[in-house]
Amino acid sequence: NAGVTQTPKFQVLKTGQSMTLQCAQDMNHNSMYWYRQDPGMGLRLIYYSASEGTTDKGEVPNGYNVSRLNKREFSLRLESAAPSQTSVYFCASSEVRQGNQPQHFGDGTRLSIL
Amino acid sequence: QKEVEQNSGPLSVPEGAIASLNCTYSDRGSQSFFWYRQYSGKSPELIMFIYSNGDKEDGRFTAQLNKASQYVSLLIRDSQPSDSATYLCAVNLMGRSQGNLIFGKGTKLSVKP
Repeated sequence: NAGVTQTPKFQVLKTGQSMTLQCAQDMNHNSMYWYRQDPGMGLRLIYYSASEGTTDKGEVPNGYNVSRLNKREFSLRLESAAPSQTSVYFCASSEVRQGNQPQHFGDGTRLSIL
Repeated sequence: QKEVEQNSGPLSVPEGAIASLNCTYSDRGSQSFFWYRQYSGKSPELIMFIYSNGDKEDGRFTAQLNKASQYVSLLIRDSQPSDSATYLCAVNLMGRSQGNLIFGKGTKLSVKP
């Protein structure tokens, strides 16, 4: 049982390039999330999808777009990468978007933008 | 006041001691509280959750919740060097982020052999 799988694990981009981070979960969870983690800032929510077909902004959505492709997959796209988007990106999922449901995290994508 | 606050540490304890990690939160209506462990370079791993006032024990870990004082704590008994990690507190705040978790910045724990 893989849980939450993120690809790629590492990526280096040049400023202005675009890329899509992929996330897939095999736990039949309804809700999925994208976070970024920066030193001293903690985990911050970028976007979430409460259920298939819906997406909503989190705390730091600027510069990102998301797609909930189906129940399993939730992708994060950087259209024009900026150095400020250098971070570690985590995808997470939970059974439903209720407060008492724990979130399970993927291994992360370490993204550097030069 | 920040929504979820943790002492950043580092908290250093000797092997075999009790490590006490604390977290305070701003929204009195919060109902769900989670503790995650994150090893350096790894992803957060859920270790405990608690919904009701009082204590919840799981092996060497005990989560304590006091809603009146708006704090939640994690006790690690018989601390081991393998417990050295950053511990993240996460709270479901009932305000604008209802349904989403707000994470503290984490407390770094170091267990010395």
